[in-house]
Amino acid sequence: EAQVTQNPRYLITVTGKKLTVTCSQNMNHEYMSWYRQDPGLGLRQIYYSMNVEVTDKGDVPEGYKVSRKEKRNFPLILESPSPNQTSLYFCASRSWEGYEQFFGPGTRLTVL
Amino acid sequence: KQEVTQIPAALSVPEGENLVLNCSFTDSAIYNLQWFRQDPGKGLTSLLLIQSSQREQTSGRLNASLDKSSGRSTLYIAASQPGDSATYLCALSSQGGSEKLVFGKGTKLTVNP
Repeated sequence: EAQVTQNPRYLITVTGKKLTVTCSQNMNHEYMSWYRQDPGLGLRQIYYSMNVEVTDKGDVPEGYKVSRKEKRNFPLILESPSPNQTSLYFCASRSWEGYEQFFGPGTRLTVL
Repeated sequence: KQEVTQIPAALSVPEGENLVLNCSFTDSAIYNLQWFRQDPGKGLTSLLLIQSSQREQTSGRLNASLDKSSGRSTLYIAASQPGDSATYLCALSSQGGSEKLVFGKGTKLTVNP
């Protein structure tokens, strides 16, 4: 089944404790992105990647890091999480020639 | 800066009604526009994608239209069902090959049996 998977789905952590949210797609897609969704603000792009080793900032990259060492994986790293990073995070992917975005199920992160 | 607005924020209709969801945008120089559905606790599911050169797309009971000159897109849902209850989001891309999608805040639809 073609899908985008994220882990973990739910995470509660404390300020300053480094964490990684994984994202993997099995569709051989070139493009991958991370979004956060907050009440009243909608979905905003954090980072995106156009292919292996090619990443760029979205609208709200502060406090986040990403890497794209393999085509299928695009982890989101929070080196020192803060409470304002409490949010619902989505990973998405699409192919080079297609424009339909496929989204993962989301990761709900709470930073205390 | 592109801004996307969806009105109303919430809509409640009886089952069987035909309905229209609205999406407006401030910059007509778009590359494509997508409508998504989001169910509580779940990710986004792509419903329809309209390229800037197209006027509409149809899938089953759904029809999406695009009018770039007026900065508007509509999602028409025919013969609504309780299973259509969800939040509907529109998102657009302003550049070919750009990965930046600008989202509206969504319309929460409730279809009552």
